[in-house]
Amino acid sequence: DGGITQSPKYLFRKEGQNVTLSCEQNLNHDAMYWYRQDPGQGLRLIYYSQIVNDFQKGDIAEGYSVSREKKESFPLTVTSAQKNPTAFYLCASSNAGQRFSGSYEQYFGPGTRLTVT
Amino acid sequence: SQQGEEDPQALSIQEGENATMNCSYKTSINNLQWYRQNSGRGLVHLILIRSNEREKHSGRLRVTLDTSKKSSSLLITASRAADTASYFCATDDLDTGRRALTFGSGTRLQVQP
Repeated sequence: DGGITQSPKYLFRKEGQNVTLSCEQNLNHDAMYWYRQDPGQGLRLIYYSQIVNDFQKGDIAEGYSVSREKKESFPLTVTSAQKNPTAFYLCASSNAGQRFSGSYEQYFGPGTRLTVT
Repeated sequence: SQQGEEDPQALSIQEGENATMNCSYKTSINNLQWYRQNSGRGLVHLILIRSNEREKHSGRLRVTLDTSKKSSSLLITASRAADTASYFCATDDLDTGRRALTFGSGTRLQVQP
């Protein structure tokens, strides 16, 4: 089965703790993305990576960190510096887009719902 | 800031009716995409329309793109209760060259059986 997986589905943490969300894909995609979604809202880009060992900040990167050591994996760490970490986190992957030829469709994982109390 | 903004925010229709959702964006684009999200799930890609295309069809979906007005519409014909979901437009950004999509805030569609 080809696809993108996120684990766990639900995650609970105490305030002040760092937490790492897992994202794995076996679609052989070069690009991977992390989004945050708050209730009733759209997706906001946290970080993205177009190739292994390289990643860029998105629109709301503060309080988050990522690594891209393997093509298949793009873990997201929510640090204690993130002021409002409770949200639904979505990971996606795609073929790497090019500036003048455009982006490709993204394939999404099922999401991780993080609750911090 | 959000690149794409959908209108209306919420839409409730009867089964069999058509549903139209609109999206506006701000920058020059290579393409525009529409996605669907069932409650509490990941997004699913529906259709991609390139900046040099004006209309595209896929099954019961019809997408239009007007680059002069920086707007797009998604029409779902003969809606079904299973079409109940949130729908998002997403665009790339030719001006900055950022190789990532920016998503709008979405339209929540409720199809009453």
